[in-house]
Amino acid sequence: TQLLEQSPQFLSIQEGENLTVYCNSSSVFSSLQWYRQEPGEGPVLLVTVVTGGEVKKLKRLTFQFGDARKDSSLHITAAQPGDTGLYLCAFFPGAHYQLIWGAGTKLIIKP
Amino acid sequence: DTEVTQTPKHLVMGMTNKKSLKCEQHMGHRAMYWYKQKAKKPPELMFVYSYEKLSINESVPSRFSPECPNSSLLNLHLHALQPEDSALYLCASSQANDRLYEQYFGPGTRLTVT
Repeated sequence: TQLLEQSPQFLSIQEGENLTVYCNSSSVFSSLQWYRQEPGEGPVLLVTVVTGGEVKKLKRLTFQFGDARKDSSLHITAAQPGDTGLYLCAFFPGAHYQLIWGAGTKLIIKP
Repeated sequence: DTEVTQTPKHLVMGMTNKKSLKCEQHMGHRAMYWYKQKAKKPPELMFVYSYEKLSINESVPSRFSPECPNSSLLNLHLHALQPEDSALYLCASSQANDRLYEQYFGPGTRLTVT
């Protein structure tokens, strides 16, 4: 069974700081998705990484897919209170329309 | 239009009530999903419809009954729920033949069973 491990589970930092969250597995992924979920709302797809070593940028967010496609990271530069939320990684194992989800990283950015 | 809408936003119901949750998308997606999410946990898949046919039922109790009237609409009928069914219920949609299966979520219905 392919499992996704996210770390840290919880992170609380001051506005302006940088941070990195991780999504790891012992298995190889064909692709990996990152979502952000704000309290009381549904998850919003941020990015899908597909190619080993790929780096994608979304404003202050940088997503990286490991060369071996077993891990991914999300780096936020100069975090802002609007970045607060639950960050979830997920992958599609190729069957039955199911996404496999990590447990999430709850991020709080304090003003 | 990348929006999935859900109604109602909040719902409080007693254990003997019957209610329905509604979901709509106009992105031409042919796969639609119901998820249940408890606080601080990732979403748990309940049902998947593909081309308006139920393709996955993740051993969900019969007090939850899904319905897909057409390719844009998805309903979840609720009957005789238990307090432990209180959760955020999320609807999502995706392309049915997309190798990435990127999912677009609605804002959810916050359900409280009293």
